[in-house]
Amino acid sequence: DVKVTQSSRYLVKRTGEKVFLECVQDMDHENMFWYRQDPGLGLRLIYFSYDVKMKEKGDIPEGYSVSREKKERFSLILESASTNQTSMYLCASSLQGTYYEQYFGPGTRLTVT
Amino acid sequence: AQRVTQPEKLLSVFKGAPVELKCNYSYSGSPELFWYVQYSRQRLQLLLRHISRESIKGFTADLNKGETSFHLKKPFAQEEDSAMYYCALGTGGSYIPTFGRGTSLIVHP
Repeated sequence: DVKVTQSSRYLVKRTGEKVFLECVQDMDHENMFWYRQDPGLGLRLIYFSYDVKMKEKGDIPEGYSVSREKKERFSLILESASTNQTSMYLCASSLQGTYYEQYFGPGTRLTVT
Repeated sequence: AQRVTQPEKLLSVFKGAPVELKCNYSYSGSPELFWYVQYSRQRLQLLLRHISRESIKGFTADLNKGETSFHLKKPFAQEEDSAMYYCALGTGGSYIPTFGRGTSLIVHP
């Protein structure tokens, strides 16, 4: 079974703080993704990575950055958290060649106060 | 650009009733279609893929290229089917699936 884990289930941060969300997958997947999940808006892609040190912007990259130094780990960074970044953050991974069959982590519910 | 439309935000049915969650897509090429499901307090997971033509948990979905649809159906809904369902489209030219906004299915006892 593919396991995608995220560092925290719940996180509360203050406006202006730098926030790190970590994601680790254990199945040697090439592709990794970060999404926001908001009611009524569905899943919105923030960033994705198709290889170590490679990253591509998704639909809503503003206010976020990412890091992928190792194949199994993909980090999402909120440089200066704002209240409109309060959301559920989902990490996912997929194999090269079966890009659309994504395996998701449990999510991190981030609240910025 | 490709798009996935799930016209219903919420679908409410009684146990034993048939259920159909609608998904329409826009893409001129050969699509790959998927349904994902998220049960309460669980992670989002793949439910089924059109290419497999499979039935999972009693759900089926048929790709209709003429109507550009991939509706998810189940003849007799169960309470445990209550969840958020997302339709997703793959277009072959991108690593990234396009997700619909999701439909929340509630099955009442």
